[in-house]
Amino acid sequence: QKEVEQNSGPLSVPEGAIASLNCTYSDRGSQSFFWYRQYSGKSPELIMFIYSNGDKEDGRFTAQLNKASQYVSLLIRDSQPSDSATYLCAVNVNGTASKLTFGTGTRLQVTL
Amino acid sequence: GAVVSQHPSWVICKSGTSVKIECRSLDFQATTMFWYRQFPKQSLMLMATSNEGSKATYEQGVEKDKFLINHASLTLSTLTVTSAHPEDSSFYICSARESYRFNQPQHFGDGTRLSIL
Repeated sequence: QKEVEQNSGPLSVPEGAIASLNCTYSDRGSQSFFWYRQYSGKSPELIMFIYSNGDKEDGRFTAQLNKASQYVSLLIRDSQPSDSATYLCAVNVNGTASKLTFGTGTRLQVTL
Repeated sequence: GAVVSQHPSWVICKSGTSVKIECRSLDFQATTMFWYRQFPKQSLMLMATSNEGSKATYEQGVEKDKFLINHASLTLSTLTVTSAHPEDSSFYICSARESYRFNQPQHFGDGTRLSIL
């Protein structure tokens, strides 16, 4: 079982819709969770991070964390074509205090 | 804030050449820096973690004598690919974290695309 799992996609949503990206992780001791966006040929950029159960909102983005079910999700409201990218979920796995473990990413396509 | 600069953006060189890549935190002090490698259509793979003033910690399978990492100051880390060969061609990305606290986010540089002929 992979430590951090994401559906590779592509996830296709129409412009203006809500995109829902999901991520599951295997280590119950994981404490920090990050979402990065990576455009093709570019490096990742931080979108959001979340540490506590529940929702965290930042503009059009909402991160949701459920430690009991071991999943973290990212909602993008009012999706725009410019949101089309690969979204990487990253988890600070217990016992590897310094490192992040990345999922393989979900490719999002926002269609006109 | 939290800007990480990586230089150069592109390198094309002959097999056997050594290549140095610089990673700088521009507006914060980076106690920890990370070096990743990414092959096409694959996810990021951590190569090594470096803390300022100490030796880097390499991931399993990464040759420390081939990929030399120096983190001599709180704003600069360098990765030197020694005697590079075509199989070393990849997208190399550094990241930096401002605090020793592990739950702080990593901020990425723009990456270096390395092509070995």
